[in-house]
Amino acid sequence: TQLLEQSPQFLSIQEGENLTVYCNSSSVFSSLQWYRQEPGEGPVLLVTVVTGGEVKKLKRLTFQFGDARKDSSLHITAAQPGDTGLYLCAGLGSSSNTGKLIFGQGTTLQVKP
Amino acid sequence: DTGVSQNPRHKITKRGQNVTFRCDPISEHNRLYWYRQTLGQGPEFLTYFQNEAQLEKSRLLSDRFSAERPKGSFSTLEIQRTEQGDSAMYLCASSPGLAGANEQFFGPGTRLTVL
Repeated sequence: TQLLEQSPQFLSIQEGENLTVYCNSSSVFSSLQWYRQEPGEGPVLLVTVVTGGEVKKLKRLTFQFGDARKDSSLHITAAQPGDTGLYLCAGLGSSSNTGKLIFGQGTTLQVKP
Repeated sequence: DTGVSQNPRHKITKRGQNVTFRCDPISEHNRLYWYRQTLGQGPEFLTYFQNEAQLEKSRLLSDRFSAERPKGSFSTLEIQRTEQGDSAMYLCASSPGLAGANEQFFGPGTRLTVL
């Protein structure tokens, strides 16, 4: 069974601070997606990483896929209150025919003004 | 709005009752997924449709759960004889089914509360 471990589970920081969220597994994933979810809403796709070592930037967010495609990280620079939410990583198994995603348990981020 | 839609957004029911949820995927997305999410956790896969064919079901999907996608467009998820443990957010996602990353786009979810 493929699992994704996210850390930390909770993060409370002040506006302007930097942070990194990690997503780790012992399994290889074909691709990895990062989502952000607000309370009472569905996850919204932020980015997809496919190639080992790939780095993608989305404004103040930087996403990296590990060289071996077993781990990923999300770095936020100068966090703002609008970044508050649940961040989820989700992997597509390398042997998956159906495309089902395996999710980490999520990181709840609170950015205080 | 051309995103994934789900109805109802909230459902409160008494234990033992049956409930049905509907998902309308993005037009022409041939892949449709159902996930369940409990508080403080990431979504867990329930079932997958390619067009109208249900091709995979999780062991989480007990025999009280049934899902359909009769014409390969919208899908329904029915839970019979609901239990308090069924309380969760039920999420639907669709994907165009292109080779590669299989990006999935989620609906707003249906929050089920079983009293």
